[in-house]
Amino acid sequence: AQSVTQPDIHITVSEGASLELRCNYSYGATPYLFWYVQSPGQGLQLLLKYFSGDTLVQGIKGFEAEFKRSQSSFNLRKPSVHWSDAAEYFCAVGAKSNFGNEKLTFGTGTRLTIIP
Amino acid sequence: ETGVTQTPRHLVMGMTNKKSLKCEQHLGHNAMYWYKQSAKKPLELMFVYSLEERVENNSVPSRFSPECPNSSHLFLHLHTLQPEDSALYLCASSQSRGNYGYTFGSGTRLTVV
Repeated sequence: AQSVTQPDIHITVSEGASLELRCNYSYGATPYLFWYVQSPGQGLQLLLKYFSGDTLVQGIKGFEAEFKRSQSSFNLRKPSVHWSDAAEYFCAVGAKSNFGNEKLTFGTGTRLTIIP
Repeated sequence: ETGVTQTPRHLVMGMTNKKSLKCEQHLGHNAMYWYKQSAKKPLELMFVYSLEERVENNSVPSRFSPECPNSSHLFLHLHTLQPEDSALYLCASSQSRGNYGYTFGSGTRLTVV
């Protein structure tokens, strides 16, 4: 069974500083990996996804993530954060269930706080 | 309208009430999901429907009753809830073919009083 670990529960960065959120996964085959963002009281919005090919994936809002098979990691990065990036970030790994539907397993999330 | 729409956005109900949450998707997806998100807890997958058939029920109490009348609509019927059921309830949908991720609705904030 697949699993996802987000080791950082809460991260605080200054506006304009760079950001890296960590994600480690466990999956027996080639993983499908996702990052989602959730603003307070809202649903989850897809930031980016990795299926295959180029290991550096570009997403919305200036985010990117790099898939490193040797480290079982899919860390999210942004070179310069904005106050509007304050939110909860979830990493997920996808697989097919026995019933044919897509099954995503989510990490516990990392809450990002931005300070002026 | 596109995407996944959940109604109502907010719901306050007494423990003896019966209410329903509604989810509608206009993406042509054929799988739908209910998640519960409580403060300081991970996302909890409650139910999964694939091609309108319930394929997963993760030990959810019977006071929660899902219904999927067609591939575009998903309901969560609530009755005799407990205060600990207060949470954000999220609906999501996906396409069974391929791994494209889920599309989530904005959620229903439920408060049980």
